Amino acid sequence: SAVISQKPSRDICQRGTSLTIQCQVDSQVTMMFWYRQQPGQSLTLIATANQGSEATYESGFVIDKFPISRPNLTFSTLTVSNMSPEDSSIYLCSVGQLHSGANVLTFGAGSRLTVL
Amino acid sequence: TQLLEQSPQFLSIQEGENLTVYCNSSSVFSSLQWYRQEPGEGPVLLVTVVTGGEVKKLKRLTFQFGDARKDSSLHITAAQPGDTGLYLCAGDPGANNLFFGTGTRLTVIP
Repeated sequence: SAVISQKPSRDICQRGTSLTIQCQVDSQVTMMFWYRQQPGQSLTLIATANQGSEATYESGFVIDKFPISRPNLTFSTLTVSNMSPEDSSIYLCSVGQLHSGANVLTFGAGSRLTVL
Repeated sequence: TQLLEQSPQFLSIQEGENLTVYCNSSSVFSSLQWYRQEPGEGPVLLVTVVTGGEVKKLKRLTFQFGDARKDSSLHITAAQPGDTGLYLCAGDPGANNLFFGTGTRLTVIP
């Protein structure tokens, strides 16, 4: 399966600033997904990032707040803009692959953001 | 949004005990997957089930997909401290993304 590197692994940010999270995959993949995991919670899909097109955002997430880039088939970035303490979460990059006849996900280790 | 409810939400057991985690939904999924997440890591795939009624075994872990493909269970026999983690079920509605369950946080006490 793919190997995914995310950075930063963690950061402490000030309210009102923005932070960009990078996701590097060791192979070319069509679809990349960004998830948010709030403290003690499960995963919520933010958006699907396809190379060469605009990201597709889930309900409750907007491009102005979470702009995404996908310049090639191995790389993507997620920016968390104008951060507030409510944005303190783990942000996870993942890629989809076929396994045993199903679409499964491989995840990066996540980026833990704390907003003060 | 397709909701996947997991139960229990928290589980703390002694080493050697057995346990079952449930994942229930009112929606039908083309496949259902189980992941385990440890602190500081992303979720890691444990198993995928695609056929209604399917049972898969992975060492001490047994996974079952409901006949109607709306629910699943994970049974762990003789739990060990290394089984500690957050267990997440995830359903694939067939649209290239996954909906994750509410999660079960398991602690196995030595």
